[in-house]
Amino acid sequence: QSLVTQPASVSATPGQRVTIPCSGSSSNIGIHFVCWYQQFPGTAPKLLIYRNDQRSSGVPDRFSGSKSGTSASLAISGLRSEDEADYHCAVWDDSVRGWVFGGGTKVTVL
Amino acid sequence: EVQLVQSGAEVKKAGEPLRISCKASGYTFTSYWIAWVRQMPGKGLEWMGIIYPGDTETRYSLSFEGQVAISVDTSTTTAYLQWNSLQSSDSGMYYCARVSLYWGDLDRLDTWGQGTNVDVSS
Repeated sequence: QSLVTQPASVSATPGQRVTIPCSGSSSNIGIHFVCWYQQFPGTAPKLLIYRNDQRSSGVPDRFSGSKSGTSASLAISGLRSEDEADYHCAVWDDSVRGWVFGGGTKVTVL
Repeated sequence: EVQLVQSGAEVKKAGEPLRISCKASGYTFTSYWIAWVRQMPGKGLEWMGIIYPGDTETRYSLSFEGQVAISVDTSTTTAYLQWNSLQSSDSGMYYCARVSLYWGDLDRLDTWGQGTNVDVSS
């Protein structure tokens, strides 16, 4: 059973806002910073958001992260076709003394 | 420019040993942890372990401890991931990534290698 969970997929039409939730617990999201990674098919992941809500260099402000309690979320506003990718949340977990990733969420632009 | 360049794809048989590499450039190699992450076909990311080239301190995920070995060669600024005896279940894509700190705590994987695909046949 994964310590951090995300939905397998979300979809929306161009221009809409989509939100990806990441649910954890008191041993991970509740006490540590959350990161988000973007991964296009056949390529390596890329850091998108770190420390819950800090955008990595060059990331458009359409992408935003937030955290509340033991949950975090990634929001993409003004959705574009080029945003189609997998998005992974990640956080340190004290119970396993290591990073744990959500299973990844595939964003589809309809 | 910070870069991590990984070795090429591998096709191996079960029981064979393997070492894949991750060549770092563009920064002080001994000042940043390096992480290894596995992604099995069609699945999510799994953290395997990290190493600090400055003193070779290594930490493994409980899921991978005893299954793999992580090492570095500071003279060539290269990190390695090694198996003594591969299993078919080791097939997957393996990424190295540089770890940035925040106030001394492991913070984020800020730069990733391009990945090394490992295909193990039984």
